[in-house]
Amino acid sequence: TQLLEQSPQFLSIQEGENLTVYCNSSSVFSSLQWYRQEPGEGPVLLVTVVTGGEVKKLKRLTFQFGDARKDSSLHITAAQPGDTGLYLCAGAARAGGTSYGKLTFGQGTILTVHP
Amino acid sequence: DTGVSQNPRHKITKRGQNVTFRCDPISEHNRLYWYRQTLGQGPEFLTYFQNEAQLEKSRLLSDRFSAERPKGSFSTLEIQRTEQGDSAMYLCASSLPRQETQYFGPGTRLLVL
Repeated sequence: TQLLEQSPQFLSIQEGENLTVYCNSSSVFSSLQWYRQEPGEGPVLLVTVVTGGEVKKLKRLTFQFGDARKDSSLHITAAQPGDTGLYLCAGAARAGGTSYGKLTFGQGTILTVHP
Repeated sequence: DTGVSQNPRHKITKRGQNVTFRCDPISEHNRLYWYRQTLGQGPEFLTYFQNEAQLEKSRLLSDRFSAERPKGSFSTLEIQRTEQGDSAMYLCASSLPRQETQYFGPGTRLLVL
């Protein structure tokens, strides 16, 4: 069974602060996706990382995939109240070149940014 | 809007009743997934289809749950004899062939009284 441990579970910060969310596993993933979810809505895709060591930037958000493809991080610079939400990491695995299909999700990080 | 759509968005039912949810994936996506999410948790995989074939089912999917995708387009998820423990958000996602990035719908929130 593949597990993704996401930390911290809760994060409450002031506007303008920086933060990092971590996603760790003992399993190797072929890709890892980060989503943001608002209450009562479905997860919205932020980024997919595929290559070990890959770094992707989306405005103030920086995503990194670990060299061994077992872990990932999301760093937000100068957080704004609009960044408030649930952040989810999700890993995909494959065998023999064929994707298993399903995503394994972390527990999520609830981020609150206070004005 | 060409994203994944789900209906209904909310469903309140009494214990023991049957409910059915519908998911319409992004049109060119041949893979369709169902997940369940309870409060404070990440989504958990239930099942997925490639075209009309159901390729994997989670152990979470008890005999009371059935999913279909008869024509390889929209899918339905039925829960028979609902229980209070079935209360959750049911999420549908779709993806392109051989792509791992999944795009989610807005979900159906089920409350079993």
